[in-house]
Amino acid sequence: GNSVTQMEGPVTLSEEAFLTINCTYTATGYPSLFWYVQYPGEGLQLLLKATKADDKGSNKGFEATYRKETTSFHLEKGSVQVSDSAVYFCALFPGYSTLTFGKGTMLLVSP
Amino acid sequence: NAGVTQTPKFRVLKTGQSMTLLCAQDMNHEYMYWYRQDPGMGLRLIHYSVGEGTTAKGEVPDGYNVSRLKKQNFLLGLESAAPSQTSVYFCASSPLQDRAGTEAFFGQGTRLTVV
Repeated sequence: GNSVTQMEGPVTLSEEAFLTINCTYTATGYPSLFWYVQYPGEGLQLLLKATKADDKGSNKGFEATYRKETTSFHLEKGSVQVSDSAVYFCALFPGYSTLTFGKGTMLLVSP
Repeated sequence: NAGVTQTPKFRVLKTGQSMTLLCAQDMNHEYMYWYRQDPGMGLRLIHYSVGEGTTAKGEVPDGYNVSRLKKQNFLLGLESAAPSQTSVYFCASSPLQDRAGTEAFFGQGTRLTVV
């Protein structure tokens, strides 16, 4: 079946540090890949996505590249801010059925 | 524009009581979903619907029922609440899915406590 594995958190960083949150997936075929973000007390919202191999999704300074050879979609940001503190979810859509989410990674950024 | 609206936002139930969570979307989306979010478990799909009048089981459907009588509404029912159903519930909707992976839009969540 389809599955998404994310690094466990919390990830604790100082402001302006470099961020990487690892995500790997298992799926048949060629899924689309997503990163969703959940700010405290809110629902999830789409951060970025990539729909085919070697695509790079980007938004708000965050980036992730669809790597089919390593089945990965790691999230990166060059300089995090306190306002980036949130829970980040990696997800895949296999082209049928529904989204499959990872368990989420909490990011805490201190001033 | 409202997007996806969940009612209520908070609720406390006693064990054995019943309740219905309402999800409404104004984007004319075909697909609707109910998830529960628990610490360390991420998001788990309870039930979903691919169109008006249709429903399907997700990963954790036991103890829940759903109905999609109107395209814009997706109801989640708990017939006899149990403490294990204490969770945050999220509704989501998306347009007809295609291979490009259409974005899902989420509501703000309902925090349910069963005592």
